[in-house]
Amino acid sequence: ETGVTQTPRHLVMGMTNKKSLKCEQHLGHNAMYWYKQSAKKPLELMFVYSLEERVENNSVPSRFSPECPNSSHLFLHLHTLQPEDSALYLCASSQVPGTEETQYFGPGTRLLVL
Amino acid sequence: QKEVEQNSGPLSVPEGAIASLNCTYSDRGSQSFFWYRQYSGKSPELIMSIYSNGDKEDGRFTAQLNKASQYVSLLIRDSQPSDSATYLCAANTDKLIFGTGTRLQVFP
Repeated sequence: ETGVTQTPRHLVMGMTNKKSLKCEQHLGHNAMYWYKQSAKKPLELMFVYSLEERVENNSVPSRFSPECPNSSHLFLHLHTLQPEDSALYLCASSQVPGTEETQYFGPGTRLLVL
Repeated sequence: QKEVEQNSGPLSVPEGAIASLNCTYSDRGSQSFFWYRQYSGKSPELIMSIYSNGDKEDGRFTAQLNKASQYVSLLIRDSQPSDSATYLCAANTDKLIFGTGTRLQVFP
């Protein structure tokens, strides 16, 4: 596999469920990101990891919990979500977190919270 | 609040015409700028990046940056129906800030 992959591609969950989103990058990058994309709104940065260390948490509610076990894998653990959390969740990676570094996106997980 | 502004569109152009997409940003400290294309239901894919004032050309695409005016644009020459998508502008200071995107429709 090449590039950035995400699983699952689609997820429907109830407000009391616990689920996890997985992202894997095959680009040899050292930085990984979680974004949320809702209809009619800009992409919102949620978390940034650099060399497995979280360097940014963009005021995201604690019901979203990231995990980065190594530089190739990133998880987003979901617990007690709300219907307004329904969105497309995108993972991205870049060589390093920097102002000139291009970010490459995965295909996204479309999440529906009932 | 750092912002990137784009007209949501849709911008409709006939096949073969030049499509002009525009973007303004609020943070003068932004140092790099990116255009991503996003097809409906798909993830963003990088079209162009630009860091210096002036024009940067890549095939049918030209990115233009004017830091004094805090303005970035993307020109698509010889537009094709396959160019129909939402184009996201992003500015990078300490993190990447995206606009809401402009929807482009190229009709045959």
